[in-house]
Amino acid sequence: KAGVTQTPRYLIKTRGQQVTLSCSPISGHRSVSWYQQTPGQGLQFLFEYFSETQRNKGNFPGRFSGRQFSNSRSEMNVSTLELGDSALYLCASHIEGDPLSRELFFGEGSRLTVL
Amino acid sequence: AQSVTQLGSHVSVSEGALVLLRCNYSSSVPPYLFWYVQYPNQGLQLLLKYTSAATLVKGINGFEAEFKKSETSFHLTKPSAHMSDAAEYFCAVSRMDSSYKLIFGSGTRLLVRP
Repeated sequence: KAGVTQTPRYLIKTRGQQVTLSCSPISGHRSVSWYQQTPGQGLQFLFEYFSETQRNKGNFPGRFSGRQFSNSRSEMNVSTLELGDSALYLCASHIEGDPLSRELFFGEGSRLTVL
Repeated sequence: AQSVTQLGSHVSVSEGALVLLRCNYSSSVPPYLFWYVQYPNQGLQLLLKYTSAATLVKGINGFEAEFKKSETSFHLTKPSAHMSDAAEYFCAVSRMDSSYKLIFGSGTRLLVRP
């Protein structure tokens, strides 16, 4: 069974540009979450989607947006990039419905460098 | 509001020694608690979780953790460290509701000396 797939794995952008990151969840998982990981701020929650609806949103500026498609694949977009947006962006998927499971399955991340 | 505190950004142990990574949480309601491990250039992998069943939780790779409500702690232990345990470990908390949002601690990097 394939895991969570994130593309691209590495990318370099310059300030002011925008970027789109993609996440394909594990087959059968309808929920996707995104996290930002930086050395200074650690792991911070960005968004959570279930069945194409944003269920939860972290404390990030409006430059950060996301969406989920009918096949459960998700994208996140960051516009007007700033140096501080350099980070590892992690996507995770999970199965809904089992209150005792609660396991998130993480992809290997997309490492964004903003110059 | 929920929060997680991990004491010690770096912990160094000798191979074969006890591993103890500390995690304290703050939550106004009973939470779910997790330990995740991250190897270099990889995502996070679940080690173990507390979901209001047994307070002593056993995970993968010989790790276990005990939920202590009175101490608001969920420390991670392993009786004997192996070189392959060297990684970064994250404690996380989430609410017992429909959201799976995790709040992570700042992480502890475990170094294992030969």
